[in-house]
Amino acid sequence: DSGVTQTPKHLITATGQRVTLRCSPRSGDLSVYWYQQSLDQGLQFLIQYYNGEERAKGNILERFSAQQFPDLHSELNLSSLELGDSALYFCASSVSLGYGYTFGSGTRLTVV
Amino acid sequence: QQQVKQSPQSLIVQKGGISIINCAYENTAFDYFPWYQQFPGKGPALLIAIRPDVSEKKEGRFTISFNKSAKQFSLHIMDSQPGDSATYFCAASGGNEQLTFGSGTQLTVLP
Repeated sequence: DSGVTQTPKHLITATGQRVTLRCSPRSGDLSVYWYQQSLDQGLQFLIQYYNGEERAKGNILERFSAQQFPDLHSELNLSSLELGDSALYFCASSVSLGYGYTFGSGTRLTVV
Repeated sequence: QQQVKQSPQSLIVQKGGISIINCAYENTAFDYFPWYQQFPGKGPALLIAIRPDVSEKKEGRFTISFNKSAKQFSLHIMDSQPGDSATYFCAASGGNEQLTFGSGTQLTVLP
């Protein structure tokens, strides 16, 4: 157990729907990062939060949004889902910005 | 330029052999270079990391070699074992920015 908790582990939904992925960072970590990993693809950075504030954005679609709550857990919202959104979504956390990431076990999203 | 280029895409090594994975970067502001190991269905796990003030770091069978002037770093896995079969990602960050990952190398160690 890495200490980073992601729920749900698996999610199957239809095109056009909206889903919410949840991440609880490791105790003491203030930074949360979201990454997307498609089949045979690397880790694509989506968005970063630090202590509740958005810190950086990567290749995140306008249909996707995220937030970090006062208790430091984070949620990634994916809407108007398309088949191409099927992927593994990972959350990572760290104490310091950009260093010592700890990843969760991911949420596998399947859009049918 | 934030890109980190990783090669090879896939690697097959005999048990007991040396596995070598290479990465190159362009951003001179990068000052942290970790390697992550990922098994199927799992999240990436930090394997070993290096800062640019040293040229080599060794932890057990895993060694990072770092060449600052060439802006390259590599992972060497000595005495490779079938249990090392996984996908390996290099990454880089600096200036409190997020990690940028390489494209990954799928390592297969044959018994």
